[in-house]
Amino acid sequence: DIQMTQSPSFLSASVGDRVTINCKASQNINRYLNWYQQKLGEAPKLLIYNANSLQTGIPSRFSGSGSGTDFTLTISSLQPEDVATYFCLQHNSWPPTFGAGTKLELK
Amino acid sequence: QVQLKESGPGLVQPSQTLSLTCTVSGFSLTSNSVHWVRQPPGKGLEWMGGIWGDGSTDYNSALKSRLSISRDTSKSQVFLKMNSLQTDDTAIYFCSDWFAYWGQGTLVTVSS
Repeated sequence: DIQMTQSPSFLSASVGDRVTINCKASQNINRYLNWYQQKLGEAPKLLIYNANSLQTGIPSRFSGSGSGTDFTLTISSLQPEDVATYFCLQHNSWPPTFGAGTKLELK
Repeated sequence: QVQLKESGPGLVQPSQTLSLTCTVSGFSLTSNSVHWVRQPPGKGLEWMGGIWGDGSTDYNSALKSRLSISRDTSKSQVFLKMNSLQTDDTAIYFCSDWFAYWGQGTLVTVSS
């Protein structure tokens, strides 16, 4: 199975900060990488699919980049409502596997 | 509007069988897959298995011997059954289409 190493595990940032979260795949996954936001008690929400495509309805401050093994989720200007856990998913190789998550809090 | 909702018992005794239902709306089970994903408390997500539009299934190799996924297309429902539950099966169980839309999840606690 492909291992997805996500970093950091925990992140504290201020409103307006630029935030980056990384996922590294143990093998080439091309661009088959999704990013999700999960708030407590809510369903995970798809933010970015196929590495850099913004899901409909998601604010443009969210963006994704990368290909192959290294991927980044960027929030260009952190907002209070962005406090959540973020995780990545690779769906290039079977079985699909997830990163361990990054808990984002406000400083 | 695509929606998925999980339902089932919140508490299961060790060695018993877990039965969960995912009720979907806004899409057809004969054209789309539904997958089960679980998240133990404080841990990451694990894909468990899924059922495809043609009715075929795939399972996580670690769970395959205990897991069964089926569906009733007339009711837009997908079912998960997992036997021989242990305490480390305690988790939030989610259903999802091909990972675009997810249910809110249902907490299952395995305890006597």
